[in-house]
Amino acid sequence: NAGVTQTPKFQVLKTGQSMTLQCAQDMNHNSMYWYRQDPGMGLRLIYYSASEGTTDKGEVPNGYNVSRLNKREFSLRLESAAPSQTSVYFCASSEGFWDRVGSMTNTGELFFGEGSRLTVL
Amino acid sequence: AQKVTQAQTEISVVEKEDVTLDCVYETRDTTYYLFWYKQPPSGELVFLIRRNSFDEQNEISGRYSWNFQKSTSSFNFTITASQVVDSAVYFCALSGLSNDYKLSFGAGTTVTVRA
Repeated sequence: NAGVTQTPKFQVLKTGQSMTLQCAQDMNHNSMYWYRQDPGMGLRLIYYSASEGTTDKGEVPNGYNVSRLNKREFSLRLESAAPSQTSVYFCASSEGFWDRVGSMTNTGELFFGEGSRLTVL
Repeated sequence: AQKVTQAQTEISVVEKEDVTLDCVYETRDTTYYLFWYKQPPSGELVFLIRRNSFDEQNEISGRYSWNFQKSTSSFNFTITASQVVDSAVYFCALSGLSNDYKLSFGAGTTVTVRA
């Protein structure tokens, strides 16, 4: 059982280059997330997808785009990489459920991928 | 807005000592969830515990225990008789309705256990 799989695990880019981080989960989870981790700042949410077909900005979305390709896959794209985007990126997924008022929600418990270390020179 | 504060940046202990990690949170939600995650040197994030805001019972799991006090908005984590394998970064996190149940993380506490 692979859980959440991210690729690539390591990447070095030059300023201005573009790249896409891929993420796939095999747990049939509705919600998927992209976080970045920087020293002393914990994990900060970049974008999330509460369910297939929806995406929303998180805390630090500038410079990124996402695509929820299907229920399994959620990719993160850097269109023009900047040194400030040097970070470790984590993809995560969580179960979502439809509550009594018809909103998608969940407890927030996340299952994480192994992380992707990105360096922008 | 939700906020999680882990005041301790780094803690260093000798093996077999107890270590307590503090976590203080802010939220306007009446229902919320609190979490602890562990990140060992290998880098992956490991789920340790989830606590519902309605359940203030303390929990013990082996050498790990958690003290949830709603009155002080704290959810502290204690490792008893620490071992070298406990060396890791530990994150406290919070989710609630006001933030669409997305996790807000604290900055993390790095625990180093010396042999």
